[in-house]
Amino acid sequence: TQLLEQSPQFLSIQEGENLTVYCNSSSVFSSLQWYRQEPGEGPVLLVTVVTGGEVKKLKRLTFQFGDARKDSSLHITAAQPGDTGLYLCAGESTNAGKSTFGDGTTLTVKP
Amino acid sequence: NAGVTQTPKFQVLKTGQSMTLQCAQDMNHEYMSWYRQDPGMGLRLIHYSVGAGITDQGEVPNGYNVSRSTTEDFPLRLLSAAPSQTSVYFCASSYSRDWAYNEQFFGPGTRLTVL
Repeated sequence: TQLLEQSPQFLSIQEGENLTVYCNSSSVFSSLQWYRQEPGEGPVLLVTVVTGGEVKKLKRLTFQFGDARKDSSLHITAAQPGDTGLYLCAGESTNAGKSTFGDGTTLTVKP
Repeated sequence: NAGVTQTPKFQVLKTGQSMTLQCAQDMNHEYMSWYRQDPGMGLRLIHYSVGAGITDQGEVPNGYNVSRSTTEDFPLRLLSAAPSQTSVYFCASSYSRDWAYNEQFFGPGTRLTVL
């Protein structure tokens, strides 16, 4: 079983601060996805990274895939209360069709 | 398009009861899957299907059955509910199972409590 460890598990910050969430594994993934989930709803895809070392930006969010495709990070600049939610990473195994999800990072941004 | 719909939204069962969680999508997606999400944990794959008539087991399939008679529908059956099956269940669909180039769309979830 491929495991994805996310850290930190919980993060509470003030509006305007920067933060980084990590997603680590000892396994290699063919692609990795980041999702955001709000209470009572299903996850919504933010980004997919495919190439080792790849960096993608989505407004104030920056996603990076590790060179060895075993880890990833999500950096949020100048966090806003609207960024509050559960952030999940999911790696696609080389046996396509099965995603392994991390346990998530619960982010709270206080006004 | 309605996207991925799930019914019911909430359900309470007694130990030993059976029920079916419904999932439907109107995007003509070939790939559909069921996940469960427990507190403090990510999503764990229960069963998935790559097309009508084809299903396979995921990470935690015990106690659950699925079938895929049409492209649109992918019901999840609990044969004999147990308290350990108390969870939030999500159905997802995508055009294909290549996540690098296809987005998985998730339904709103079914919150199941087994007493």
